[in-house]
Amino acid sequence: NAGVTQTPKFQVLKTGQSMTLQCAQDMNHNSMYWYRQDPGMGLRLIYYSASEGTTDKGEVPNGYNVSRLNKREFSLRLESAAPSQTSVYFCASLPTGAGQPQHFGDGTRLSIL
Amino acid sequence: SQQGEEDPQALSIQEGENATMNCSYKTSINNLQWYRQNSGRGLVHLILIRSNEREKHSGRLRVTLDTSKKSSSLLITASRAADTASYFCATSSGGSYIPTFGRGTSLIVHP
Repeated sequence: NAGVTQTPKFQVLKTGQSMTLQCAQDMNHNSMYWYRQDPGMGLRLIYYSASEGTTDKGEVPNGYNVSRLNKREFSLRLESAAPSQTSVYFCASLPTGAGQPQHFGDGTRLSIL
Repeated sequence: SQQGEEDPQALSIQEGENATMNCSYKTSINNLQWYRQNSGRGLVHLILIRSNEREKHSGRLRVTLDTSKKSSSLLITASRAADTASYFCATSSGGSYIPTFGRGTSLIVHP
Protein backbone atom coordinates (compact mmCIF):
# COMPACT_ATOMS: atom_id res chain seq x y z
CA ASN A 1 0.00 0.00 0.00
CA ALA A 2 1.84 3.11 -1.21
CA GLY A 3 -0.45 5.75 0.38
CA VAL A 4 0.32 9.18 -1.09
CA THR A 5 3.05 9.29 -3.73
CA GLN A 6 4.65 12.51 -4.93
CA THR A 7 6.94 12.97 -7.92
CA PRO A 8 9.53 14.24 -8.36
CA LYS A 9 11.26 14.27 -4.96
CA PHE A 10 13.67 17.04 -5.93
CA GLN A 11 13.70 19.63 -8.69
CA VAL A 12 15.73 22.70 -9.58
CA LEU A 13 14.20 25.26 -11.94
CA LYS A 14 15.23 28.55 -13.41
CA THR A 15 13.05 31.60 -12.93
CA GLY A 16 10.29 31.63 -15.53
CA GLN A 17 10.29 27.90 -16.20
CA SER A 18 7.13 25.88 -15.76
CA MET A 19 6.68 22.64 -13.90
CA THR A 20 3.97 20.22 -12.78
CA LEU A 21 4.19 18.40 -9.46
CA GLN A 22 2.39 15.09 -9.43
CA CYS A 23 0.49 13.46 -6.58
CA ALA A 24 -1.40 10.17 -6.48
CA GLN A 25 -3.15 8.33 -3.66
CA ASP A 26 -4.35 4.75 -3.58
CA MET A 27 -6.63 4.95 -0.54
CA ASN A 28 -9.80 5.95 -2.39
CA HIS A 29 -9.93 9.26 -0.52
CA ASN A 30 -12.25 11.96 -1.81
CA SER A 31 -10.27 15.05 -0.74
CA MET A 32 -6.78 16.00 -1.78
CA TYR A 33 -4.58 18.96 -0.81
CA TRP A 34 -1.44 20.82 -1.76
CA TYR A 35 0.62 22.58 0.92
CA ARG A 36 3.89 24.40 0.93
CA GLN A 37 6.24 24.31 3.90
CA ASP A 38 8.76 27.09 4.46
CA PRO A 39 11.16 27.40 7.40
CA GLY A 40 9.39 28.80 10.44
CA MET A 41 6.04 28.99 8.63
CA GLY A 42 4.51 25.58 9.14
CA LEU A 43 2.26 24.28 6.37
CA ARG A 44 0.21 26.65 4.28
CA LEU A 45 -2.62 25.43 2.07
CA ILE A 46 -2.25 26.29 -1.62
CA TYR A 47 -5.23 24.53 -3.22
CA TYR A 48 -7.50 21.66 -2.37
CA SER A 49 -10.01 19.40 -4.06
CA ALA A 50 -12.94 18.26 -1.95
CA SER A 51 -13.97 15.71 -4.54
CA GLU A 52 -13.25 14.64 -8.08
CA GLY A 53 -14.10 17.49 -10.43
CA THR A 54 -13.82 20.32 -7.90
CA THR A 55 -10.92 22.52 -6.82
CA ASP A 56 -10.73 25.50 -4.46
CA LYS A 57 -8.15 28.06 -3.43
CA GLY A 58 -6.43 27.85 -0.10
CA GLU A 59 -4.42 30.43 1.80
CA VAL A 60 -1.64 31.01 -0.77
CA PRO A 61 -2.90 30.16 -4.31
CA ASN A 62 -1.20 32.91 -6.30
CA GLY A 63 1.23 31.62 -8.93
CA TYR A 64 -0.21 28.09 -8.90
CA ASN A 65 -2.82 26.07 -10.73
CA VAL A 66 -4.17 22.62 -9.99
CA SER A 67 -5.90 19.79 -11.78
CA ARG A 68 -7.88 16.97 -10.21
CA LEU A 69 -7.30 14.50 -13.02
CA ASN A 70 -9.35 11.71 -11.43
CA LYS A 71 -10.06 10.48 -7.94
CA ARG A 72 -6.47 9.28 -7.49
CA GLU A 73 -4.46 12.16 -8.95
CA PHE A 74 -4.10 15.83 -8.07
CA SER A 75 -1.39 17.88 -9.78
CA LEU A 76 0.08 21.28 -8.97
CA ARG A 77 1.43 23.48 -11.75
CA LEU A 78 3.78 26.44 -11.61
CA GLU A 79 3.33 28.28 -14.89
CA SER A 80 6.22 30.74 -14.45
CA ALA A 81 8.35 29.82 -11.46
CA ALA A 82 9.67 32.55 -9.17
CA PRO A 83 12.37 32.36 -6.46
CA SER A 84 9.65 32.99 -3.84
CA GLN A 85 8.19 29.61 -4.76
CA THR A 86 11.29 27.81 -3.52
CA SER A 87 9.82 25.53 -0.89
CA VAL A 88 8.94 21.98 0.04
CA TYR A 89 5.57 20.97 -1.38
CA PHE A 90 3.39 18.37 0.27
CA CYS A 91 0.36 16.60 -1.07
CA ALA A 92 -2.18 15.11 1.32
CA SER A 93 -5.42 13.20 1.10
CA LEU A 94 -8.33 12.87 3.48
CA PRO A 95 -11.10 10.30 3.70
CA THR A 96 -14.71 11.35 4.02
CA GLY A 97 -16.07 11.83 7.52
CA ALA A 98 -15.59 14.25 10.36
CA GLY A 99 -12.41 14.10 12.38
CA GLN A 100 -10.34 12.03 9.98
CA PRO A 101 -6.56 12.49 9.80
CA GLN A 102 -4.79 13.60 6.65
CA HIS A 103 -2.30 11.32 4.95
CA PHE A 104 0.80 13.01 3.55
CA GLY A 105 3.32 12.26 0.85
CA ASP A 106 7.03 12.72 1.48
CA GLY A 107 7.22 16.02 -0.35
CA THR A 108 8.84 17.61 -3.38
CA ARG A 109 11.81 19.85 -2.66
CA LEU A 110 11.75 22.61 -5.24
CA SER A 111 14.47 25.21 -5.73
CA ILE A 112 14.04 28.09 -8.13
CA LEU A 113 17.15 29.97 -9.14
CA SER B 1 -2.72 32.36 8.78
CA GLN B 2 -1.87 29.98 11.61
CA GLN B 3 -4.65 29.02 13.97
CA GLY B 4 -2.50 26.91 16.27
CA GLU B 5 0.81 28.05 17.70
CA GLU B 6 3.17 25.55 19.27
CA ASP B 7 5.39 26.28 22.23
CA PRO B 8 8.29 25.93 22.64
CA GLN B 9 9.69 26.32 19.13
CA ALA B 10 12.54 23.99 20.03
CA LEU B 11 13.08 21.46 22.80
CA SER B 12 16.22 19.47 23.60
CA ILE B 13 16.13 16.65 26.17
CA GLN B 14 17.92 13.47 27.18
CA GLU B 15 16.64 10.02 26.35
CA GLY B 16 14.30 8.77 29.06
CA GLU B 17 13.01 12.22 29.97
CA ASN B 18 9.48 13.37 29.25
CA ALA B 19 8.80 15.93 26.53
CA THR B 20 5.90 18.36 26.72
CA MET B 21 4.85 20.68 23.96
CA ASN B 22 1.91 23.00 23.90
CA CYS B 23 -0.46 24.37 21.29
CA SER B 24 -2.61 27.45 21.66
CA TYR B 25 -5.33 28.46 19.25
CA LYS B 26 -7.57 31.46 18.75
CA THR B 27 -11.09 30.36 17.83
CA SER B 28 -13.37 27.52 18.85
CA ILE B 29 -12.49 24.21 17.29
CA ASN B 30 -14.16 20.96 16.28
CA ASN B 31 -11.06 18.93 16.87
CA LEU B 32 -7.31 19.21 17.30
CA GLN B 33 -4.73 16.87 15.85
CA TRP B 34 -1.04 16.28 16.48
CA TYR B 35 1.32 15.24 13.71
CA ARG B 36 4.99 14.26 13.66
CA GLN B 37 7.43 15.05 10.88
CA ASN B 38 10.77 13.32 10.66
CA SER B 39 13.52 15.11 8.78
CA GLY B 40 12.96 14.93 5.03
CA ARG B 41 9.61 13.17 5.33
CA GLY B 42 5.93 14.01 5.27
CA LEU B 43 3.71 14.49 8.30
CA VAL B 44 2.41 11.46 10.11
CA HIS B 45 -0.76 11.61 12.16
CA LEU B 46 -0.34 10.85 15.87
CA ILE B 47 -3.59 11.54 17.64
CA LEU B 48 -6.88 13.42 17.30
CA ILE B 49 -8.85 14.88 20.18
CA ARG B 50 -12.37 16.21 19.75
CA SER B 51 -13.61 19.40 21.36
CA ASN B 52 -15.76 17.46 23.86
CA GLU B 53 -12.80 15.35 25.01
CA ARG B 54 -10.27 16.38 27.65
CA GLU B 55 -7.59 13.72 27.41
CA LYS B 56 -6.48 10.93 25.09
CA HIS B 57 -3.70 8.38 25.24
CA SER B 58 -1.88 6.44 22.59
CA GLY B 59 1.09 4.38 23.74
CA ARG B 60 3.63 6.83 25.20
CA LEU B 61 1.63 9.82 24.00
CA ARG B 62 -0.80 11.77 26.14
CA VAL B 63 -2.80 14.66 24.73
CA THR B 64 -4.88 17.05 26.78
CA LEU B 65 -7.31 19.70 25.61
CA ASP B 66 -8.51 22.69 27.60
CA THR B 67 -11.13 24.48 25.55
CA SER B 68 -11.58 27.21 28.17
CA LYS B 69 -7.92 28.17 27.71
CA LYS B 70 -7.91 27.30 24.00
CA SER B 71 -4.86 25.14 24.46
CA SER B 72 -3.63 21.58 24.10
CA SER B 73 -0.54 19.77 25.22
CA LEU B 74 1.29 16.73 23.89
CA LEU B 75 3.30 14.71 26.38
CA ILE B 76 5.76 12.08 25.22
CA THR B 77 6.83 9.92 28.13
CA ALA B 78 10.18 8.13 28.41
CA SER B 79 11.44 9.71 25.22
CA ARG B 80 13.72 7.90 22.80
CA ALA B 81 16.23 9.15 20.25
CA ALA B 82 13.77 8.00 17.58
CA ASP B 83 11.27 10.60 18.85
CA THR B 84 13.53 13.32 17.42
CA ALA B 85 11.25 15.13 14.96
CA SER B 86 9.09 18.20 14.51
CA TYR B 87 5.63 18.10 16.04
CA PHE B 88 2.70 20.08 14.69
CA CYS B 89 -0.76 20.76 16.00
CA ALA B 90 -3.60 21.25 13.54
CA THR B 91 -7.09 22.53 14.27
CA SER B 92 -10.38 22.26 12.42
CA SER B 93 -13.03 24.87 13.09
CA GLY B 94 -16.60 25.69 12.16
CA GLY B 95 -17.92 23.95 9.10
CA SER B 96 -14.48 23.32 7.66
CA TYR B 97 -12.89 19.90 7.93
CA ILE B 98 -9.61 21.28 6.60
CA PRO B 99 -6.99 21.46 9.37
CA THR B 100 -4.90 24.58 9.89
CA PHE B 101 -1.34 23.86 11.02
CA GLY B 102 0.90 25.64 13.47
CA ARG B 103 4.60 26.31 12.96
CA GLY B 104 5.70 23.27 14.94
CA THR B 105 8.00 22.32 17.80
CA SER B 106 11.38 20.85 16.94
CA LEU B 107 12.24 18.10 19.44
CA ILE B 108 15.74 16.68 19.79
CA VAL B 109 16.23 13.66 22.04
CA HIS B 110 19.88 12.99 22.87
CA PRO B 111 20.89 9.35 23.38
